[in-house]
Amino acid sequence: QQPVQSPQAVILREGEDAVINCSSSKALYSVHWYRQKHGEAPVFLMILLKGGEQKGHEKISASFNEKKQQSSLYLTASQLSYSGTYFCGSNSGGSNYKLTFGKGTLLTVNP
Amino acid sequence: EAQVTQNPRYLITVTGKKLTVTCSQNMNHEYMSWYRQDPGLGLRQIYYSMNVEVTDKGDVPEGYKVSRKEKRNFPLILESPSPNQTSLYFCASSLEGAVLNEQFFGPGTRLTVL
Repeated sequence: QQPVQSPQAVILREGEDAVINCSSSKALYSVHWYRQKHGEAPVFLMILLKGGEQKGHEKISASFNEKKQQSSLYLTASQLSYSGTYFCGSNSGGSNYKLTFGKGTLLTVNP
Repeated sequence: EAQVTQNPRYLITVTGKKLTVTCSQNMNHEYMSWYRQDPGLGLRQIYYSMNVEVTDKGDVPEGYKVSRKEKRNFPLILESPSPNQTSLYFCASSLEGAVLNEQFFGPGTRLTVL
């Protein structure tokens, strides 16, 4: 079952902040965040693991609430280059190596 | 240059004509995966492979086959394509299981089935 992302779309002016949320109906072992620019392949941003470990780019911040089965991606002081579609992917752990992505959040940053 | 390559990049075919989309990575990654992307549906995993000769179904495996005979290659096979398989397909690879590591995506293959 796909994780649910919100909002579906957001429009910002350069310098504004945004939060993208990802929630799952299943217990989560890891949450992944990717950004895809129009006409390009998705690019890795961050992985958050159960227990608090994070792997990713230093300028990106995110949180992972295991109890609520939610993750949030924080985009601060947005730049034009932040525009794109953001996807969260979830995995429930154990012997399951499937990664299920949400439908995406379209972020548009205007000058 | 470390990369994931896919071929072809664009393909128009007809219903029922078997086709193969190739995927190759040069990073010695163990984990490889196929996704399809459709408007409004996000990325959906078709199949994945943990290593050579080890494959498993993703969320939407119907109508697709895969094989992993070599570590670097992970072809996607459509035995009898149908119009509902018209989509943008991405291959991806990661060092080990995708749940623990960054995935590197190929450039995508846009498939149209008439």
